[in-house]
Amino acid sequence: AQKVTQAQTEISVVEKEDVTLDCVYETRDTTYYLFWYKQPPSGELVFLIRRNSFDEQNEISGRYSWNFQKSTSSFNFTITASQVVDSAVYFCALKSQGGSEKLVFGKGTKLTVNP
Amino acid sequence: DSGVTQTPKHLITATGQRVTLRCSPRSGDLSVYWYQQSLDQGLQFLIQYYNGEERAKGNILERFSAQQFPDLHSELNLSSLELGDSALYFCASSSRLRGTGSTDTQYFGPGTRLTVL
Repeated sequence: AQKVTQAQTEISVVEKEDVTLDCVYETRDTTYYLFWYKQPPSGELVFLIRRNSFDEQNEISGRYSWNFQKSTSSFNFTITASQVVDSAVYFCALKSQGGSEKLVFGKGTKLTVNP
Repeated sequence: DSGVTQTPKHLITATGQRVTLRCSPRSGDLSVYWYQQSLDQGLQFLIQYYNGEERAKGNILERFSAQQFPDLHSELNLSSLELGDSALYFCASSSRLRGTGSTDTQYFGPGTRLTVL
């Protein structure tokens, strides 16, 4: 069975603080894909990043960085120098190779960045 | 803007009624997915279509059905609506990378917020 756990339900920070959103996943497949999506207050789901299980290289995109560790089945997301516009719900998702193309989502972490 | 469009943006209806949600995928995408987002269940996969054919089914109720038309747009039909069907319904689309053993990123539309009174 596939499962994604985002243990942090809500996080509140002050602008310019760094914040890390945790994501732990479970799958029996050796090939799988991990995703992060952002859902701002307006409601749409915005794709942020995708990582393949065979590529453990961490990635940085501006103030965003992702740390993928197969040994701990984690795919954590860090926002550096957070801004008010980062306030949103962030979802981690998993898709395993083979079988259904569906995404399995975590429950999401609501991030509030206060000015 | 993901390139996926959904109509209507909001829908308010009564219990027992039937509604149709519409989705147009990104240009060139052959796969369409439907997801339901509710407070208690979170984001749940409902169904996937690929080039007009049903490809996978998730937690979709028998009162719900979907189809994908030759022009690749998709419709999700919800009937005998109940209060618990109130949710945000998302459509996503992706292209298919044949033969690569890879997978595609799903891009989501803005969603249709359904309220059943």
